[in-house]
Amino acid sequence: DTEVTQTPKHLVMGMTNKKSLKCEQHMGHRAMYWYKQKAKKPPELMFVYSYEKLSINESVPSRFSPECPNSSLLNLHLHALQPEDSALYLCASSQDPAGAYEQYFGPGTRLTVT
Amino acid sequence: GESVGLHLPTLSVQEGDNSIINCAYSNSASDYFIWYKQESGKGPQFIIDIRSNMDKRQGQRVTVLLNKTVKHLSLQIAATQPGDSAVYFCAERNTGNQFYFGTGTSLTVIP
Repeated sequence: DTEVTQTPKHLVMGMTNKKSLKCEQHMGHRAMYWYKQKAKKPPELMFVYSYEKLSINESVPSRFSPECPNSSLLNLHLHALQPEDSALYLCASSQDPAGAYEQYFGPGTRLTVT
Repeated sequence: GESVGLHLPTLSVQEGDNSIINCAYSNSASDYFIWYKQESGKGPQFIIDIRSNMDKRQGQRVTVLLNKTVKHLSLQIAATQPGDSAVYFCAERNTGNQFYFGTGTSLTVIP
């Protein structure tokens, strides 16, 4: 199984809502990532988890809160978002946290903040 | 057809022609590079990779060339097919062992 799954596929939320994005992989990968992608732009790294510990936070606002409950799951908790946070949120995983191998991406969650 | 990646983000080619997508990377210390294909509504998909100790690597219908002297990477797609239409990103691994993506090039294959 070389698949990264993400739920939900689409999410519309108001600026006062709290929601969570979920990501799952069963490849035994020890690194997991969250990226944000705006239309017609490349993915931008947000967070990196290495062996279930947060290793990189790319100066992401605190209204985004990542969580890695176990080696297969990655969540992104959302609270008090702004309309400019509307984007495609991509999860990825990799065999090696040192970046020695490619990342496998999920299909993304299309988030709209109203 | 050929693009210069960061400067010409779109490329149109006739079906059956070869495509060349270019990417200029920023960090001379980057040692691992990946090309990804992203189709509409999907996440990026791995195509081919190359490490800095190589100049060329070939896959099925794709070839990646690396010129470290000028910090340039290219992806060549042979006999381009309609299914190759997508946005193509190069990604470089930096000294922090994380990957950062280039601007991307949108490839359109004309039947």
